[in-house]
Parts: sequence; C-alpha cells; structure tokens
Amino acid sequence: SYELTQPPSVSVSPGQTATITCSGDNLKYKYACWYQQKPGQSPLLVIYRDNKRPSGIPERFSGSNSGTTATLTISGTQAMDEADYYCQAWDTSTARVFGTGTKVTVL
Amino acid sequence: EVQLVESGGDSVQPGGSLRLSCAASGFTFSNYWMSWVRQAPGKGLEWVANIRQDGSENYYVDSVKGRFTISRENAKNSLYLQMNSLRAEDTAVYYCAREHTAMADFWGQGTLVTVSS
Repeated sequence: SYELTQPPSVSVSPGQTATITCSGDNLKYKYACWYQQKPGQSPLLVIYRDNKRPSGIPERFSGSNSGTTATLTISGTQAMDEADYYCQAWDTSTARVFGTGTKVTVL
Repeated sequence: EVQLVESGGDSVQPGGSLRLSCAASGFTFSNYWMSWVRQAPGKGLEWVANIRQDGSENYYVDSVKGRFTISRENAKNSLYLQMNSLRAEDTAVYYCAREHTAMADFWGQGTLVTVSS
C-alpha cells in the first residue's frame, strides 16, 4: 500500500519559516494537499493541488511538490500556527492516503 | 454555508455493530464524492472509505473491508457508515468529509466510537 512519510515534529521561532516535508514514491505524479489540525478540532484544508490556498487561508501558507517530496512552508510563523499538519496524496486511484503527521511547535 | 454533522457514535463491545450518520447541508450533496476518515486517540488521520456521487462505487481501507459498509441517501442529504464486527482498534473519532477535485474541503466535527469490553 502507498505510504507518505512526514517528520514527527518541527520547531520554529515566531516570525521564522517552518518547512514540513511529505515523502512518497512518485509523489510528483499525484496532487498533494495539506491539512492543519489543532487540538480538539477537525482538520482544516490549508493547501490543495500542490500549491493552491483555499479562500481564507493566509498567504504565509504555501506548498510545492516535486520528485518524491511535497513541502508545506509557513512563512513568518505565528503562535496560532502551532498545530498538527497532515499531507494527503490524490491520484486516479480511489484510495486516499494521509501522511504520518507533523507536530509544529512555535517556540 | 457547508455543514456536515456526524452522529451515531457510542460505546460498544467488541464484535458489536454501529451505524454512523452524516447530515449534509449548504451544498448539492448529490454532486460530491464523500469520505469517512477516522482518528484513533492520540494518533494520526486514517482514511476509511469513500463513495461516488450516485453510490455506484465505493472503496475501503484494507483493515475495514468486509466489516464496514459506506452508503448514502441523496434524497436525505445523508451519508452513512455501517460498522460490524467492531474491534478495539476501531476506537476513534470518525469524521465525514466532502471530496472535491483532489481535496477534502469540508469536514464535520466528528463522532466518537469506543470499542471496549
């Protein structure tokens, strides 16, 4: 079965850039999206189709996808960005796989 | 406003059954694939199943095949998950989510299923 691997944790200082990676075979041939989940809340879509932001998501969230790695970048990280982040890969198959998840801590 | 409201979560013994429901509003339900996603306590997200707009196709994660059945009733704007032969490892918050062109763009608040003797 297809697997997506993320680092368990990322720490970042306020105002700095947080980079979260998501690795999977041939990921560049699939669309990647990213979800933010804060404690006790449902996941929130922050990036879709590799690099598109839904309405209402701040510009500091951006994404890319090349080779075997998709990347979520949070520029000028704020305390409110502290959360768990999950990637997900979409392709013509119908299985929807989530990444292992990354806890972002804003120190 | 898009809303997804899950219900039906409960505490059940191993081997038991539950039926989860998801009531959709604020969009044309029959136009979208729908998914169930679960999250065990303190763990990550796991996609469970999805279903085509007209119910003619559905797919499952291997661990629930033969035990869970996803269905929908477009006239009632409702999504369901029938869960049989429940195991301790099925304990999780279950979310319904709307699928839209390579993303799950709206999620419900989740309903808790606890499988324990």
